[in-house]
Amino acid sequence: GAGVSQSPRYKVAKRGQDVALRCDPISGHVSLFWYQQALGQGPEFLTYFQNEAQLDKSGLPSDRFFAERPEGSVSTLKIQRTQQEDSAVYLCASSFVGQGFYSNQPQHFGDGTRLSIL
Amino acid sequence: GQQLNQSPQSMFIQEGEDVSMNCTSSSIFNTWLWYKQDPGEGPVLLIALYKAGELTSNGRLTAQFGITRKDSFLNISASIPSDVGIYFCAGQRDSNNDMRFGAGTRLTVKP
Repeated sequence: GAGVSQSPRYKVAKRGQDVALRCDPISGHVSLFWYQQALGQGPEFLTYFQNEAQLDKSGLPSDRFFAERPEGSVSTLKIQRTQQEDSAVYLCASSFVGQGFYSNQPQHFGDGTRLSIL
Repeated sequence: GQQLNQSPQSMFIQEGEDVSMNCTSSSIFNTWLWYKQDPGEGPVLLIALYKAGELTSNGRLTAQFGITRKDSFLNISASIPSDVGIYFCAGQRDSNNDMRFGAGTRLTVKP
């Protein structure tokens, strides 16, 4: 499809397990963002890539969270030793990097992965 | 936590009524955006605003970027049942940087 694709859509894990969430951005989109959305809240920024470079990871809540985008396309968000407070929807967004007049490019979101930690 | 104050938290209106919601911030943003999110889906972009004072329409939706760059509003005219959902404002300081979101306005439209 033409949009941002995330998998799996739903993930249930036991506390202490590691999980990996995948994001396939829109083709040609250089920028990729991960957000965490708690129930009843707006998305909160986790981390940002431009191509394969992770330029901002200030939103990652702990060192159990790790993201990578080794070839500048698909990205994986990994959470180690999951805790119950990690339960949330994890959203991925991508945008085109424009120049000059086209420099303002909005972010387009996938449908998210709903993570439940038991 | 959320940096943007979005209000109201929820609205219950009759079909055909107009709706207004707004967002304020203590910080300046250079871009304001409005998204709509349906259950089980990701936010979908409605309107993006890039210039202070800008007023932009998208069908029945109109949004404005406040002159101070610290606020924005979204109006929906002649609401219809498919307008139901959660509306989020988002501010962005620089292009290609992360967005800060409000907590959302949950809209219910009664036929």
